[in-house]
Amino acid sequence: GEDVEQSLFLSVREGDSSVINCTYTDSSSTYLYWYKQEPGAGLQLLTYIFSNMDMKQDQRLTVLLNKKDKHLSLRIADTQTGDSAIYFCAEIKAAGNKLTFGGGTRVLVKP
Amino acid sequence: NAGVTQTPKFQVLKTGQSMTLQCAQDMNHNSMYWYRQDPGMGLRLIYYSASEGTTDKGEVPNGYNVSRLNKREFSLRLESAAPSQTSVYFCASHYQGNEQFFGPGTRLTVL
Repeated sequence: GEDVEQSLFLSVREGDSSVINCTYTDSSSTYLYWYKQEPGAGLQLLTYIFSNMDMKQDQRLTVLLNKKDKHLSLRIADTQTGDSAIYFCAEIKAAGNKLTFGGGTRVLVKP
Repeated sequence: NAGVTQTPKFQVLKTGQSMTLQCAQDMNHNSMYWYRQDPGMGLRLIYYSASEGTTDKGEVPNGYNVSRLNKREFSLRLESAAPSQTSVYFCASHYQGNEQFFGPGTRLTVL
């Protein structure tokens, strides 16, 4: 199976919270990342978490990591229309610098 | 700093034609990467270069070659383009630890 998996689509109302989920298989992952891709653009790093952390908060973004279940989530508080994009989770394994990406979750924010 | 730059932004090829995608970074990063992005499949690593003078295959190297010309530049060559290589190609660079920086992408169509 895939190393990193995400659901394909999420629809949320403006002002609500969004939660994007990701599961991974490799317990040796050292860093886990969330990237944002707007239409026609490259990937922009939103936030990352080191594997020995459970939670990281950065303004409207909260990352939760459950190492036991190999589950990563990104919560966006007070979701805005500008948050509509594709969100990718990714991991770096301990052995090298190669990122492994999930398939991306398309988030649509409705007014 | 320009970050990671890619040329061209768009390209249309006929089956069997060859071309080289150019990538350069001005952040003095050791590692550089080429990914392709296809709908619903996230980013898949084609080739990477951990340091000047070295290159290694990624997940989907067939049909591609790379050159790490110097620390700044990492090019991707398609010797005989095929329709299956229609994709968006992203170059990225990385120092160590936290973040890979991505270029804006090259949208390639092979007819």
